[in-house]
Amino acid sequence: GQQLNQSPQSMFIQEGEDVSMNCTSSSIFNTWLWYKQEPGEGPVLLIALYKAGELTSNGRLTAQFGITRKDSFLNISASIPSDVGIYFCAGQLNYGGSQGNLIFGKGTKLSVKP
Amino acid sequence: EPEVTQTPSHQVTQMGQEVILRCVPISNHLYFYWYRQILGQKVEFLVSFYNNEISEKSEIFDDQFSVERPDGSNFTLKIRSTKLEDSAMYFCASSESAGQETQYFGPGTRLLVL
Repeated sequence: GQQLNQSPQSMFIQEGEDVSMNCTSSSIFNTWLWYKQEPGEGPVLLIALYKAGELTSNGRLTAQFGITRKDSFLNISASIPSDVGIYFCAGQLNYGGSQGNLIFGKGTKLSVKP
Repeated sequence: EPEVTQTPSHQVTQMGQEVILRCVPISNHLYFYWYRQILGQKVEFLVSFYNNEISEKSEIFDDQFSVERPDGSNFTLKIRSTKLEDSAMYFCASSESAGQETQYFGPGTRLLVL
């Protein structure tokens, strides 16, 4: 089945630093999504990308949908302690009138040192 | 802001027992999903549901699993005879319509099978 490769697996950074993480796939997706998950919680949507080449920002977060539709990156600028969590990319392949399920990456665990 | 809710937040059960996990999707949403996340692993798709029937299911969703929308608001996942390996966080998600619509996740039910 389709798999997403997400990297890095974990990051330990200093408060104020910028962060970059990415996902790649061997197959194309129509939609890329980035979620954040905190301990004991469900994934919370950060950014949704719907078109190849699309670059979208949400505050300090910026994400891009790769031109080939096989990759996406998420950048976090000027990190703060509350950015701590696990960041998941998810790809979705919609077809016909139905909605495809989400394929998740394995996550990037972000730790921020004050 | 509307949100997906799930009950119970935690459930402990004996192997072989039946469990029912409950979800209340966002009220104007039409597509419903169940995902699971084994501790420390990625989120995995189980099943999607639309118009009172299953749209898609993964190979994880075998005969011991079933879903139901018993009334206008609840969406349930039943595990008929739980196994140790069913221990995981189970997330419900919903989306508004077909096409490129974002899925919103509930906070999850942590299931522990002893």
